[in-house]
Amino acid sequence: DAKTTQPNSMESNEEEPVHLPCNHSTISGTDYIHWYRQLPSQGPEYVIHGLTSNVNNRMASLAIAEDRKSSTLILHRATLRDAAVYYCILSGGNKLVFGAGTILRVKS
Amino acid sequence: ETGVTQTPRHLVMGMTNKKSLKCEQHLGHNAMYWYKQSAKKPLELMFVYSLEERVENNSVPSRFSPECPNSSHLFLHLHTLQPEDSALYLCASSQLVGGLSYGYTFGSGTRLTVV
Repeated sequence: DAKTTQPNSMESNEEEPVHLPCNHSTISGTDYIHWYRQLPSQGPEYVIHGLTSNVNNRMASLAIAEDRKSSTLILHRATLRDAAVYYCILSGGNKLVFGAGTILRVKS
Repeated sequence: ETGVTQTPRHLVMGMTNKKSLKCEQHLGHNAMYWYKQSAKKPLELMFVYSLEERVENNSVPSRFSPECPNSSHLFLHLHTLQPEDSALYLCASSQLVGGLSYGYTFGSGTRLTVV
């Protein structure tokens, strides 16, 4: 499984945008980029995924570099409820393999 | 009921006990998974079931025995566990189409403590 690299932790102020980076220099042509997040005491939940083009949904936006070796998850206005561990995962098959993720702290 | 439901939410068991964790998905998915999350560690993929057939077993000790009787249900049978098996056990499901899985949905997990 292709590996991703994320910062261990990030901090944001409430109501401000957050940009969570992910490097995946060994991504293959068939790998999708998935983002999940895990709130305390819960299972992971889907945030967004993409292949080549930037993607938007009601939760977030995903910006994918032209060479696909990196991507950025964008939360447009962070709230306290967005405090979680955010996982960037590459998958082109039938499973998700999680790394350590980025702990996002949101300050009020 | 919607999504992925896991029972029980919490379980305390002795090392000589036998217990089972249950997972049920109401999404019509055709693939199911067991993950283990120990304290301060990333989620570890344990088993993958596709169309009720086990397609992956990531070197999990035999004291963990999965069972998938149909596409909606997944069990994890536990026996003679060790204290280091204490963890959050998460079930997930997805829709597998042409070798690619979509829409992974996770349950809230079973918090297992082995004493």
